[in-house]
Amino acid sequence: NAGVMQNPRHLVRRRGQEARLRCSPMKGHSHVYWYRQLPEEGLKFMVYLQKENIIDESGMPKERFSAEFPKEGPSILRIQQVVRGDSAAYFCASSVTESSTSYEQYFGPGTRLTVT
Amino acid sequence: AQKVTQAQTEISVVEKEDVTLDCVYETRDTTYYLFWYKQPPSGELVFLIRRNSFDEQNEISGRYSWNFQKSTSSFNFTITASQVVDSAVYFCALSEAETSYDKVIFGPGTSLSVIP
Repeated sequence: NAGVMQNPRHLVRRRGQEARLRCSPMKGHSHVYWYRQLPEEGLKFMVYLQKENIIDESGMPKERFSAEFPKEGPSILRIQQVVRGDSAAYFCASSVTESSTSYEQYFGPGTRLTVT
Repeated sequence: AQKVTQAQTEISVVEKEDVTLDCVYETRDTTYYLFWYKQPPSGELVFLIRRNSFDEQNEISGRYSWNFQKSTSSFNFTITASQVVDSAVYFCALSEAETSYDKVIFGPGTSLSVIP
């Protein structure tokens, strides 16, 4: 059973370009979370999605960032017109269900974005 | 509001010493979950433990042990007979089960260096 997969593992973009980060949840998981880890900091929640729905995007910057989790295919975190401050590790996690029993979130290996 | 504090930013110990990583949390919920994750230099997140708020039993797993004390809102992590491979950043985290989904709040992390 493959774990959470993220690609690419490393992404280099020039200022102003778009970055697209992909996350394939574990088989059977329909809930995806994105977190950002700035250099020398802990992870910060960005967005929580279910299939075709954004449930909570309270941690997403208001501009340039968007996320989707289509019915088919991976979840995508899109950053438009990247700036140097977007350089960070972006982690995706998935879980089986939203229920209040708090199923464990399984984390992917992360995508390290570098903006030059 | 939820918050996780890890007061120790960096710790260095000599191999075979015991080391305790502190974690203090804040939450208004009565049902919540606490986690520890390890992030080695390679960057991935490794799940170590999850505890729910109703289970205050201490847990031991090999050289790792966890001390959960609700009275002081602490969930400390001890590594016995530390090894060089324990060198990593360790994150304590909190999830409140009374929301309908698991938004995990991470502490800032403690960087542990084990010197041979």
